[in-house]
Amino acid sequence: AQSVAQPEDQVNVAEGNPLTVKCTYSVSGNPYLFWYVQYPNRGLQFLLKYITGDNLVKGSYGFEAEFNKSQTSFHLKKPSALVSDSALYFCAVRDIGSGYSTLTFGKGTMLLVSP
Amino acid sequence: SQTIHQWPATLVQPVGSPLSLECTVEGTSNPNLYWYRQAAGRGLQLLFYSVGIGQISSEVPQNLSASRPQDRQFILSSKKLLLSDSGFYLCAWSAQGSTEAFFGQGTRLTVV
Repeated sequence: AQSVAQPEDQVNVAEGNPLTVKCTYSVSGNPYLFWYVQYPNRGLQFLLKYITGDNLVKGSYGFEAEFNKSQTSFHLKKPSALVSDSALYFCAVRDIGSGYSTLTFGKGTMLLVSP
Repeated sequence: SQTIHQWPATLVQPVGSPLSLECTVEGTSNPNLYWYRQAAGRGLQLLFYSVGIGQISSEVPQNLSASRPQDRQFILSSKKLLLSDSGFYLCAWSAQGSTEAFFGQGTRLTVV
């Protein structure tokens, strides 16, 4: 079975400061990892993904994430937060090796960026 | 380019009434299709997924059903809604052999 943990319900950061949203995963094979963002009453928007290769992946809106296989983590980062980054962020995993074709999501982390 | 349409955006239904939510994808063929529910606790729960016409896999036994009458159409239904069916329902698609999924704008269902 595949699973994702987002240990923080909420992350607070001041505008201009760096931000990190944490994610750890569990799969039986090799993971495909994803970050999505959700604004109120909207669908999820794809931010970035890790499939293979460079452990640091860059995505939309200046976000990036670092894959760490030994720690089974895929934390989302941004060097300088904006108030408009305030939203709900979801980490997701797909274990391709098991043949399981669906994404499993974490419970989400609310990011609040204060002016 | 590919687009996904989901409707209605909001819906208020009485307990015991039927439900039909529709999702269509444009600009691609033979997509994988998914229905998720997001309850007040924010987590996303996979309800159904489909890899082809008439092929539906159910992840969680419940009061809902899904159908895929056409290649790019995915329908979520219920014969009799329960209060616990309230939530935010999201349709998504992914290309065969691809990795990420893309989501519709969601339907806010309130059962009263």
